[in-house]
Amino acid sequence: DAGVIQSPRHEVTEMGQEVTLRCKPISGHNSLFWYRQTMMRGLELLIYFNNNVPIDDSGMPEDRFSAKMPNASFSTLKIQPSEPRDSAVYFCASSLSSNQPQHFGDGTRLSIL
Amino acid sequence: AQKITQTQPGMFVQEKEAVTLDCTYDTSDPSYGLFWYKQPSSGEMIFLIYQGSYDQQNATEGRYSLNFQKARKSANLVISASQLGDSAMYFCAMRANQGGSEKLVFGKGTKLTVNP
Repeated sequence: DAGVIQSPRHEVTEMGQEVTLRCKPISGHNSLFWYRQTMMRGLELLIYFNNNVPIDDSGMPEDRFSAKMPNASFSTLKIQPSEPRDSAVYFCASSLSSNQPQHFGDGTRLSIL
Repeated sequence: AQKITQTQPGMFVQEKEAVTLDCTYDTSDPSYGLFWYKQPSSGEMIFLIYQGSYDQQNATEGRYSLNFQKARKSANLVISASQLGDSAMYFCAMRANQGGSEKLVFGKGTKLTVNP
């Protein structure tokens, strides 16, 4: 069975550029989560969706970050403009519902120069 | 506010021995869930085990078991018969309803090293 698929696996770009991270959840999962992991702050929830609807975006750092889920099988996390402090590993996770175990993708390692 | 505390930044164990990784939590929500995840050096997050707040028995999954002590608000992970491949970061997480949002809150993690 295919797990959560994230792309790209690695992204290196210059500050000021737009960055788009992509996620395909496990088929049939109704909840999708975006996390950021850094050494300083650990794992932080950025936003999560239930049935394609954003439920909690209180973790989104600022207006430069936006997330969409146009359908049940695809989500994007966009940073525009990017800054060096956005460098982190970004994980996407999905679950059958919001109270079920979350299954994580392999993450996108983002470096902003 | 919901909070997860993992007090052991690092732990060492000899291969084939058992090890306990500590996790305490704080929540005022009577309904919550506790999860453990493993993150090897390759970076992926692997779900290990789940315990619901109303579950009567401690959860077990193969070599993993969860020592759930509700009164003490602890949910320690026990790994039996440690293997070299168990060397990784281990994260405890709690799902609780916070202002209508059912999100996971993660601890800082414990780095486990299994020695041959």
